[in-house]
Amino acid sequence: GNSVTQMEGPVTLSEEAFLTINCTYTATGYPSLFWYVQYPGEGLQLLLKATKADDKGSNKGFEATYRKETTSFHLEKGSVQVSDSAVYFCALSPLIQGAQKLVFGQGTRLTINP
Amino acid sequence: DADVTQTPRNRITKTGKRIMLECSQTKGHDRMYWYRQDPGLGLRLIYYSFDVKDINKGEISDGYSVSRQAQAKFSLSLESAIPNQTALYFCATSRAQGAYEQFFGPGTRLTVL
Repeated sequence: GNSVTQMEGPVTLSEEAFLTINCTYTATGYPSLFWYVQYPGEGLQLLLKATKADDKGSNKGFEATYRKETTSFHLEKGSVQVSDSAVYFCALSPLIQGAQKLVFGQGTRLTINP
Repeated sequence: DADVTQTPRNRITKTGKRIMLECSQTKGHDRMYWYRQDPGLGLRLIYYSFDVKDINKGEISDGYSVSRQAQAKFSLSLESAIPNQTALYFCATSRAQGAYEQFFGPGTRLTVL
């Protein structure tokens, strides 16, 4: 089956710290991988994606590399800001015709203190 | 901007009442989805629709029904609301091809007393 396991939160960091949020997956076939972010009171927004092994998705200073050998897609940012405080979701989508849904991890709440 | 909108944004209701949540999109996407979000559980799929004539149950469809009135509209109904349906509900859309990334509405916070 398909599943996503994320680093448990909450995670609290100081501004300008280095961020890693771990994500590992189990999947049949070769899924696409995503990170979504949910700011307080808002819906989920796509942060970045990768569609094949060794692809690196990047956006707003965040990066994640699709590692097939370790079945991982860890989210990183070199220097976080207070405005990065949000809940982050890792997700996968099986890359087969008719794929009907995203499979989400449970989410990791990130708080950045000034 | 092309968008996914949900109405209402907040709703408080009583046990046994019928509730409808509505979703509209201007993205031109064929596929639409309804999720619920509960603390610590991530998002769980309730129903999804690949086009107007194709509606499918997700992992937690019991107690819910949907209607795809047009390509751009997908509504979720709770026929007889119960307190454990208190949650945040999200509508999402996606294209029929590609990486299947989904685009989410702002959510509806539903409280069932």
